Amino acid sequence: KAGVTQTPRYLIKTRGQQVTLSCSPISGHRSVSWYQQTPGQGLQFLFEYFSETQRNKGNFPGRFSGRQFSNSRSEMNVSTLELGDSALYLCASSSGGAGTGELFFGEGSRLTVL
Amino acid sequence: AQSVTQPDIHITVSEGASLELRCNYSYGATPYLFWYVQSPGQGLQLLLKYFSGDTLVQGIKGFEAEFKRSQSSFNLRKPSVHWSDAAEYFCAVAPQALTFGSGTRLQVQP
Repeated sequence: KAGVTQTPRYLIKTRGQQVTLSCSPISGHRSVSWYQQTPGQGLQFLFEYFSETQRNKGNFPGRFSGRQFSNSRSEMNVSTLELGDSALYLCASSSGGAGTGELFFGEGSRLTVL
Repeated sequence: AQSVTQPDIHITVSEGASLELRCNYSYGATPYLFWYVQSPGQGLQLLLKYFSGDTLVQGIKGFEAEFKRSQSSFNLRKPSVHWSDAAEYFCAVAPQALTFGSGTRLQVQP
């Protein structure tokens, strides 16, 4: 069974640009959650999508958005990038939803903003 | 709101020694509790979980954790640490999404 796949693994952007990250969940999982990991703030919840609907949202500005497709693949977008957006972005899939806590994580997309 | 505190930022143990990583949570009702491990450059892997029932739970890689409601704790233990256990360990609480603690970095000395 294939795991959670995140692309791209590494990317470099400059301030003001936008970025789109992709996540393919484990087959059969309908929930996809996104987390931002930084040395200073740790792991912070961005949002969760379940069957194409945003079910939960963390405390991030509107520049951070996401969506989920009918095949459960998810994308997150960050517009007008700031230096502080440099982080490891982790995607996790679950059959029952993020509230069950049983999440399967991808290896992450490491974003560097210059 | 739910929250998790991991008081130890960094712990060093000798290979073969026992390990205990501390975790305290805050949640109004009975929480769902988890321990995850993250190796360098990797995503997180679930070690074990507590939903209800027996307060001592067994996980993968020889880890166990004990839920103590009176102390609002869910400490992770391993009787004998291996060099491959060096990683960062995160305690987490649900069911309001999944909230992580700040992590404890474990270093294993030969």
